[in-house]
Amino acid sequence: AQSVSQHNHHVILSEAASLELGCNYSYGGTVNLFWYVQYPGQHLQLLLKYFSGDPLVKGIKGFEAEFIKSKFSFNLRKPSVQWSDTAEYFCAVNARGNNRLAFGKGNQVVVIP
Amino acid sequence: DGGITQSPKYLFRKEGQNVTLSCEQNLNHDAMYWYRQDPGQGLRLIYYSQIVNDFQKGDIAEGYSVSREKKESFPLTVTSAQKNPTAFYLCASSMGRGFDDTQYFGPGTRLTVL
Repeated sequence: AQSVSQHNHHVILSEAASLELGCNYSYGGTVNLFWYVQYPGQHLQLLLKYFSGDPLVKGIKGFEAEFIKSKFSFNLRKPSVQWSDTAEYFCAVNARGNNRLAFGKGNQVVVIP
Repeated sequence: DGGITQSPKYLFRKEGQNVTLSCEQNLNHDAMYWYRQDPGQGLRLIYYSQIVNDFQKGDIAEGYSVSREKKESFPLTVTSAQKNPTAFYLCASSMGRGFDDTQYFGPGTRLTVL
């Protein structure tokens, strides 16, 4: 079964700073990769996803993620954060063709105005 | 308005009582899922169903039960056998077909057992 690691559970940064959240997974086969975001008091929403093709994926709200197969990683980035990016971010992985998702433990990101 | 609804938003129960959480979707999705979210633990899969009248255990099924009698509905019962039922419960659904399946989530139910 696949597992997902997210480091630095709590991240605090100032507006306009750059954000990078790490995601590593353990599974040797072909995978689908997701980042979800949970804003305070809101649904868990899909931020971006990777199935195949260009390993650099662009999502909503200026976020992007890069799939590096050799490193089993799918790190999330945003060059300049805003206060409204305060949220919890979850990385998730499933083996291609198996719709069971494995989630990381999440990163709680707080952006200070 | 399409989407996934969960009710109620907040639920309080006494210890020893069974409680059923509702999840309905009008997205015409075949697959539905139940997750439990605890602080610092991420989401853990309780049960999932890929088609009506069929469901499988997830990673933490003990103390829970489900049914899938209709495509639109996937209720979760938290039984008195669940040792630590206080948590945030999330329902999700997906097309359930193909290699590019994406899960979409409802707003969640926060269960507190007193």
